[in-house]
Parts: sequence; structure tokens; C-alpha cells
Amino acid sequence: GAGVSQTPSNKVTEKGKYVELRCDPISGHTALYWYRQSLGQGPEFLIYFQGTGAADDSGLPNDRFFAVRPEGSVSTLKIQRTERGDSAVYLCASSLGGLDYGYTFGSGTRLTVV
Amino acid sequence: TQLLEQSPQFLSIQEGENLTVYCNSSSVFSSLQWYRQEPGEGPVLLVTVVTGGEVKKLKRLTFQFGDARKDSSLHITAAQPGDTGLYLCAGAKQGAQKLVFGQGTRLTINP
Repeated sequence: GAGVSQTPSNKVTEKGKYVELRCDPISGHTALYWYRQSLGQGPEFLIYFQGTGAADDSGLPNDRFFAVRPEGSVSTLKIQRTERGDSAVYLCASSLGGLDYGYTFGSGTRLTVV
Repeated sequence: TQLLEQSPQFLSIQEGENLTVYCNSSSVFSSLQWYRQEPGEGPVLLVTVVTGGEVKKLKRLTFQFGDARKDSSLHITAAQPGDTGLYLCAGAKQGAQKLVFGQGTRLTINP
């Protein structure tokens, strides 16, 4: 596609539920990133994929968060046992080969845990 | 602890005025990027600076990377209402692929 597509655009879930957030990167982009942006803050790094593998997952806050990219294209961010503090906008970005090529961000998924 | 501090956090000025936004850190970055973000959208890359002292211009926007690669500034000349938005600086450490973002400067240009 022309840009990075994220679905759903909005997700409301109850505390304790499991959620999946999807990112469809720009075709041909090998690098994919997940960031989380809380209200009034800048984005915070979660995880970086180069191809199918997670090259850097140092930003995942705890083991309730997991992300996959099984075929090197679409990625899914999975959050188990959601907590109210997980409420944020989850942003996905892709890049042709890495940071030096610049990021293109999607519009994000606004997750609200009630 | 915020690795990159932006100032001011909020700025509201009249159309036609000039302004400068600052992005400061005690850490050295191999590159620094500036993004602009509209409500409900992801950040959009404006510029990347990689060399200490580097100056880049994008129409009425001038970006500078500090000599020591610890800070950066964004200067807008003759601001227009279309410049309204959240401006974010983001730095990358040597060899890292992740960006560290500042908290943003919310700019409002009043007609």
C-alpha cells in the first residue's frame, strides 16, 4: 500500500482482556518498529524488527507485551491481561532498510482499557 | 527521566512572528530527526541531521544540530496557521535503530 496501515484505529477493551493490534507496513520495507505514545508525551520505543526477527525488544515494558512478524511483512502487537496503564496510542513505523532511510509512521491504534 | 528535553512545551503566537524550539540533552546522538504530528495522525519526518553544526533549511523552517551533537533547534520564520501542530525531536545513538523522542512542543499559530 501507499502508507503504513494500522488496524483497528480505535480499540476499547476491559481490564484483563487480551488485545491484538495489527500493522501493515509499506511494501518492501524490511524494518518495522512499534512505539507507544501516552497523552502529552512523545512516542516511546517498544520493539524493532528487521525482516522476521525481533532485532531489539528492549522497550517492551513487561512479559504481557509480545510482537510477531512471521513473514517479514505484517506485524501484530499482542497485549495480555491488559491494564488501565496500557491505554495509549500504539504507533507502527516502517523503513526501507533502517533508521538511516527514515521512518514512515502509521496513524496509530488508540487503545483504551476500561 | 527524559533523555531529550524540548522547550517550550507549549507556544502560541500570532501569524507572521518568528519562533525557535529547542531540543536539549546531556547525551551525544549520532543523528537527530524532527517530526511534525497532527491530531489523530502519526508523526511525519521533516528532517534528519547527522553532522555536528549542520544546518538544514526546509522553506521557512531552519534546523540546526549542535556542534557537540547533544542539542538541536528548529526556527520558523514568518509563522503561518498551517504550521500549527506538535513538533517532536528524536535522537538515535550510534549503532542503534531506535529513536528516543522528546516530549514535544505544541505550537499554535493564530491568524
